[in-house]
Amino acid sequence: GENVEQHPSTLSVQEGDSAVIKCTYSDSASNYFPWYKQELGKRPQLIIDIRSNVGEKKDQRIAVTLNKTAKHFSLHITETQPEDSAVYFCAAPGNTGNQFYFGTGTSLTVIP
Amino acid sequence: GAVVSQHPSWVICKSGTSVKIECRSLDFQATTMFWYRQFPKQSLMLMATSNEGSKATYEQGVEKDKFLINHASLTLSTLTVTSAHPEDSSFYICSARDFLGGIDEQYFGPGTRLTVT
Repeated sequence: GENVEQHPSTLSVQEGDSAVIKCTYSDSASNYFPWYKQELGKRPQLIIDIRSNVGEKKDQRIAVTLNKTAKHFSLHITETQPEDSAVYFCAAPGNTGNQFYFGTGTSLTVIP
Repeated sequence: GAVVSQHPSWVICKSGTSVKIECRSLDFQATTMFWYRQFPKQSLMLMATSNEGSKATYEQGVEKDKFLINHASLTLSTLTVTSAHPEDSSFYICSARDFLGGIDEQYFGPGTRLTVT
């Protein structure tokens, strides 16, 4: 399956600062990259995604950038708020394009 | 948006018994569903891809005889953990994609917390 690596595993930022989480993938044919936010004991929630035909996508305080050549994509959260504290996962499709493989997760803590 | 339900939300069973978990797509047809397992403070690990009307595709290292998957209809997939042991205790989450709708997004169920005593 797809090999997805995610860094950092933990991240603490002051409220109002920015947070950046990076993922790399192995399958160059991958064309869709979602990011999920998961709160304790709950299901992952899609927060933003990007297709391979664009290099950046933004939705209010959240943005995702994609570098297909280097096979990495990043999540950017600006003006962080305490409610942004959660675990964030990236994912990339497998070689059939149907299933998704998840990164190892980043536990983000926003300090008020 | 599309809704995926899962039942039960939590279950406690004794070692050696079997447990069945249901995953339903409520407002769309899901020809393919996915089963994940998540241990505390870890990532979601894909266990298998459930295909309607055919055999499931299991990821490497996942025992197909222990984790039985049945996808008998376009809206229902079931995962049965057979002869459960304490090490099977985990959070099991299903997901589905609306392939017929041409949507990339994956919709997750709320998860089932299994505790084997």
